[in-house]
Amino acid sequence: GIQVEQSPPDLILQEGANSTLRCNFSDSVNNLQWFHQNPWGQLINLFYIPSGTKQNGRLSATTVATERYSLLYISSSQTTDSGVYFCAVESGGNNRLAFGKGNQVVVIP
Amino acid sequence: EAQVTQNPRYLITVTGKKLTVTCSQNMNHEYMSWYRQDPGLGLRQIYYSMNVEVTDKGDVPEGYKVSRKEKRNFPLILESPSPNQTSLYFCASSTTGGSYGYTFGSGTRLTVV
Repeated sequence: GIQVEQSPPDLILQEGANSTLRCNFSDSVNNLQWFHQNPWGQLINLFYIPSGTKQNGRLSATTVATERYSLLYISSSQTTDSGVYFCAVESGGNNRLAFGKGNQVVVIP
Repeated sequence: EAQVTQNPRYLITVTGKKLTVTCSQNMNHEYMSWYRQDPGLGLRQIYYSMNVEVTDKGDVPEGYKVSRKEKRNFPLILESPSPNQTSLYFCASSTTGGSYGYTFGSGTRLTVV
């Protein structure tokens, strides 16, 4: 099946700093999403972005489908940005999302 | 508000006692699925449904049952829960083909003792 690799696995940020999370995938995809899992375990959908660039407040994402990677940018990080960020992809209409192992982000005041 | 609703959020039960985790969506989505999340193993798909009365196995279906009698509901049934089914469970829905991505429920944290 498709492989999804996220980097870095762990990241500690000072509040106000910027960061970039990366997701590499091994095959062409028809769906790519970024999720934030908060400390209560909820999976919050950040972006549906199989290609192109989107922005939502301090977060933005870019997917370069031809080169099989996606980036999630966090600007001016806040403590509420802490949690695990997951990249998930769907390939070939196989009716399932394949998740990466996640980026554990801790933002300290 | 468009959402996927799971109940209960937390459940502690004993081995062998049948339980059902409910999932309901209000977006008229055709596609629904269940995932479990375990430390070190990530999120894995249990079952999915392409539409009413159409269900199929995911990656880890053993020990689970599902049904899709109505478009909005997709319950997950554990006929005889065992401790290895202790996990965080998520229900998700989307339009066919996932054209706008998948929406996930808030999760159900199940402990089987």
